[in-house]
Amino acid sequence: KNQVEQSPQSLIILEGKNCTLQCNYTVSPFSNLRWYKQDTGRGPVSLTIMTFSENTKSNGRYTATLDADTKQSSLHITASQLSDSASYICVVSAWDGNNRLAFGKGNQVVVIP
Amino acid sequence: EAGVAQSPRYKIIEKRQSVAFWCNPISGHATLYWYQQILGQGPKLLIQFQNNGVVDDSQLPKDRFSAERLKGVDSTLKIQPAKLEDSAVYLCASSPRLEGTDTQYFGPGTRLTVL
Repeated sequence: KNQVEQSPQSLIILEGKNCTLQCNYTVSPFSNLRWYKQDTGRGPVSLTIMTFSENTKSNGRYTATLDADTKQSSLHITASQLSDSASYICVVSAWDGNNRLAFGKGNQVVVIP
Repeated sequence: EAGVAQSPRYKIIEKRQSVAFWCNPISGHATLYWYQQILGQGPKLLIQFQNNGVVDDSQLPKDRFSAERLKGVDSTLKIQPAKLEDSAVYLCASSPRLEGTDTQYFGPGTRLTVL
C-alpha cells in the first residue's frame, strides 16, 4: 500500500529561524514527489517537484531534497517569515499508466514573531 | 490565468440531507479531481475525471456520493444522504493532462459541516 509519513506533525518556530520537515514514503512505482503549501482556508499550492533523478530543488526560501534510495524527502525553510505559517503536504506520485497520488497528513508550521 | 473555482465556500446541513458542490477547472485542463480533506489530514482522492470520463473512483462511497463532469468542463459532486462523518473540506483540482509530472491546481475548497 502506498503510504506517506510526515514528521513532525506540528512545530512552532521563531520568525527568522530555519526549520526542516521530513517525509518518508513507500510508493511504487515512484514517479515524482511534490511539496505543497496549504494556507488555512485555501487549497494546496505546489512548491517543488522532484523526479527520481533529482535530489534537490529550490523555490525561493524553500529547498526540498530527495533520497530515492532511502525513500526520504525533506523541506527546508530558510529565514522563516510569518507568511510561512501553513500546512506543508508531501505528495508522492506513482505512475502505472495512471497518476496515483499518495498524500501525507502534512506538517503544521506556525511562525511566531 | 483564472484559477479553479468552487462554490459554495461553506455549507452547513443536517444529517440525512443532500448537498451538491460545483467546480469550474482552469480552462483547457483535461483532468479534474475531487478530494475530501478531513481536519488535520491530507486530501483523499474521491474521483478523477479525464475529460468527461471517470479514470478512478475507487475511493468514492458510491452508496451516497456521486459526481459528474458534463461536457468535460464543470463538475458537480453530490452527497445524498449526508452523514456526520462527511464533515470535511471538499477540494477540486485540475491539471492539463493525465501525466505524472503535471501540476495539480487546487481550488479554495468547500467546507461542509454536517450537524
